[in-house]
Amino acid sequence: DAGITQSPRHKVTETGTPVTLRCHQTENHRYMYWYRQDPGHGLRLIHYSYGVKDTDKGEVSDGYSVSRSKTEDFLLTLESATSSQTSVYFCAISETIPTGAETQYFGPGTRLLVL
Amino acid sequence: QKEVEQNSGPLSVPEGAIASLNCTYSDRVSQSFFWYRQYSGKSPELIMSIYSNGDKEDGRFTAQLNKASQYVSLLIRDSQPSDSATYLCAVSGSARQLTFGSGTQLTVLP
Repeated sequence: DAGITQSPRHKVTETGTPVTLRCHQTENHRYMYWYRQDPGHGLRLIHYSYGVKDTDKGEVSDGYSVSRSKTEDFLLTLESATSSQTSVYFCAISETIPTGAETQYFGPGTRLLVL
Repeated sequence: QKEVEQNSGPLSVPEGAIASLNCTYSDRVSQSFFWYRQYSGKSPELIMSIYSNGDKEDGRFTAQLNKASQYVSLLIRDSQPSDSATYLCAVSGSARQLTFGSGTQLTVLP
């Protein structure tokens, strides 16, 4: 499971409230990613990080911010949650596999419901 | 905008049959291609990777890549009910990013 945990695993919140999701990894991976998964859309990249304090936007970054103050933790914040942000959120890390290519391994996910 | 297209299905096959899953991609410079399996309520797990044109076999799974036609496929031989899941195609990009298709839902009927 590449040593990835996510917290919380489930969250219900109200529109307009801030929400922070945490991704924690134990294997010193440099690259970390946040995705959201919605029916019919597959996995869409929100933000990613290529090192401590180094982050960049993905395909669907509006309404989200991230921070990475330590190698092991990558935080995703919804500044003011909206119902359109109801989704399943996955964190991933990039790892080099025996063939030499880089691929990604995923955490268990966080189910977020915004009422 | 890089695109990865998959038939959403659902695809149903009888137990013991061959399941064929297809994926096309738009970015000609992509070098690495992956298949993930995702059971309902779970996270995606990597099952196959392929980088060169041709076939790559791993147990009951065969990945096929044709860069000229920009398609990747996954064949599952002797399909089992435990293979019932959503299969995601992923294509590599810059910054170790992957672009995912929307997935094909496979059901193997006993």
